[in-house]
Amino acid sequence: NAGVTQTPKFRVLKTGQSMTLLCAQDMNHEYMYWYRQDPGMGLRLIHYSVGEGTTAKGEVPDGYNVSRLKKQNFLLGLESAAPSQTSVYFCASSYGSLGGNQPQHFGDGTRLSIL
Amino acid sequence: KQEVTQIPAALSVPEGENLVLNCSFTDSAIYNLQWFRQDPGKGLTSLLLIQSSQREQTSGRLNASLDKSSGRSTLYIAASQPGDSATYLCAVFFQGAQKLVFGQGTRLTINP
Repeated sequence: NAGVTQTPKFRVLKTGQSMTLLCAQDMNHEYMYWYRQDPGMGLRLIHYSVGEGTTAKGEVPDGYNVSRLKKQNFLLGLESAAPSQTSVYFCASSYGSLGGNQPQHFGDGTRLSIL
Repeated sequence: KQEVTQIPAALSVPEGENLVLNCSFTDSAIYNLQWFRQDPGKGLTSLLLIQSSQREQTSGRLNASLDKSSGRSTLYIAASQPGDSATYLCAVFFQGAQKLVFGQGTRLTINP
């Protein structure tokens, strides 16, 4: 009954370091998404995937890369972290596309601070 | 520009009251509208999803309505309880931009 699991839950990085955030879902969903949530900005889509082996850019993709090598996993990478990437990152998944009748399921987030 | 607005940003009411949360959006060409709940330090939980062809959806004490022509949705919570305290977010999937846009949420506090 795990749903969407994000690791790690917290992380502090120094400017210029790299890291990967992992998202795993056990609901056999085709669609997966990475969002960032910032005060006063709401949730913004970074990248998304419509199936294994596919990825696409969202609203704020610069500075991030993603991979979907397995259907259940969606990885978000920061190659050279910047203070502007300090945020709470949420992964979500859905059975169908966002314009349909299936809701998104969210993980509990990763709180990332870049010093 | 396609935007979603939620006013007020925060609301505090006594336990037991019925209350309404508001969501407005700038373009009536939408596929659907969702209401989410977010507890502190947690992710979003989908409460109700209304497709563009529907006028309302109900789940337990929650009822969400949709009026596309006026660009408005409301989330009605009956007989509020302290456990309803959370931030409630509205999200709209716009046809034109093929994009899901979130409001910034209303932080609801139910006082015992």
